[in-house]
Amino acid sequence: NAGVMQNPRHLVRRRGQEARLRCSPMKGHSHVYWYRQLPEEGLKFMVYLQKENIIDESGMPKERFSAEFPKEGPSILRIQQVVRGDSAAYFCASSPIKRDGYTFGSGTRLTVV
Amino acid sequence: QQQVKQSPQSLIVQKGGIPIINCAYENTAFDYFPWYQQFPGKGPALLIAIRPDVSEKKEGRFTISFNKSAKQFSLHIMDSQPGDSATYFCAASGPGRLTFGEGTQLTVNP
Repeated sequence: NAGVMQNPRHLVRRRGQEARLRCSPMKGHSHVYWYRQLPEEGLKFMVYLQKENIIDESGMPKERFSAEFPKEGPSILRIQQVVRGDSAAYFCASSPIKRDGYTFGSGTRLTVV
Repeated sequence: QQQVKQSPQSLIVQKGGIPIINCAYENTAFDYFPWYQQFPGKGPALLIAIRPDVSEKKEGRFTISFNKSAKQFSLHIMDSQPGDSATYFCAASGPGRLTFGEGTQLTVNP
């Protein structure tokens, strides 16, 4: 039973490019959460999704960031026109039921140059 | 109301010591309180969790103490080992998501 799979592990983008981060939840988990972690800081909630629905996007920046969790395939976090301040580790977590038992992936480390 | 405040920011103990990490919350709707352990370059891993109907929970060398009236909870690590050196996050479950504390960087010296 594979854990939460995130790819790529490392992503380098130039300013102005798009970054696409992918997350496949654990088998049987229908709730997906994205968190951002800046160096030496805690985990900041971004968005909570279920299949084909965004449940809570209160932590998402209003511009350039979007997320989806389609009926088939992984959840995608998309960052358009990246800036240096977007450099961070982005973690995805999944859970079988709402709120409890989060399992985190290993993260995608985005570097904007 | 969604904040979880964690202290200390960093902690250094000797092997065998008992580091204690504290967290406080405001939102009385929180009803699930996990602790996560994170090693450099890795994702957070669930260590132990408690619900507010109990005051203490032990799993191996890790103990959560929970004070519902004070809205505080803490993690104790018994007989700490150098391999416990990591960053520890407390969290609280609100509607739809976990809210995390800022983290405590623990160093256990040999």
